[in-house]
Amino acid sequence: DAGITQSPRHKVTETGTPVTLRCHQTENHRYMYWYRQDPGHGLRLIHYSYGVKDTDKGEVSDGYSVSRSKTEDFLLTLESATSSQTSVYFCAISDTREGAYGYTFGSGTRLTVV
Amino acid sequence: DQQVKQNSPSLSVQEGRISILNCDYTNSMFDYFLWYKKYPAEGPTFLISISSIKDKNEDGRFTVFLNKSAKHLSLHIVPSQPGDSAVYFCAASGNTDSSYKLIFGSGTRLLVRP
Repeated sequence: DAGITQSPRHKVTETGTPVTLRCHQTENHRYMYWYRQDPGHGLRLIHYSYGVKDTDKGEVSDGYSVSRSKTEDFLLTLESATSSQTSVYFCAISDTREGAYGYTFGSGTRLTVV
Repeated sequence: DQQVKQNSPSLSVQEGRISILNCDYTNSMFDYFLWYKKYPAEGPTFLISISSIKDKNEDGRFTVFLNKSAKHLSLHIVPSQPGDSAVYFCAASGNTDSSYKLIFGSGTRLLVRP
């Protein structure tokens, strides 16, 4: 299928523990994004990357960090998970800066913080 | 402040009739507008887009209309089919802060009744 996979697909973790979500692509796209989806808020951008080691913050970046050491992998880390970070997380890739032809999304990671 | 708004959280239409989903935006710097479709437990998939230099784009049963003066766009689905039942997200992209990112609305859940 599409060359983007997210792992894990589901995770339950305890408050205060660190969590890392992985996004892996085989499309060699330059741009990668992490979004979270919550009821009433749609999709909100957490962090994005425009190349290896080049990342920037989105609108809801507090409590999250990212790393991109290779073109194909974009990691999202919750340093100390909180209940407010319970959400569905989507990774997306794009080969254009403008995203005019759309992003390709992964299938999502459902994270529950208890 | 939400830059992209979908004020109708849900819409129900009869199979065969027209579905009209609406979206409003506030930032005049947006260049592209896109619609995504999302089924449960899947990532959003790109549906159709329109550039700000156009006022209409058509792809099969799907047509997107853009009214720049009103900062409004709409997605028309004709005829609607039960398989169209999904959540639809409106998104916008542009050089709004010297970078390009897709900004999403909160989504509209469409139900097409057989």
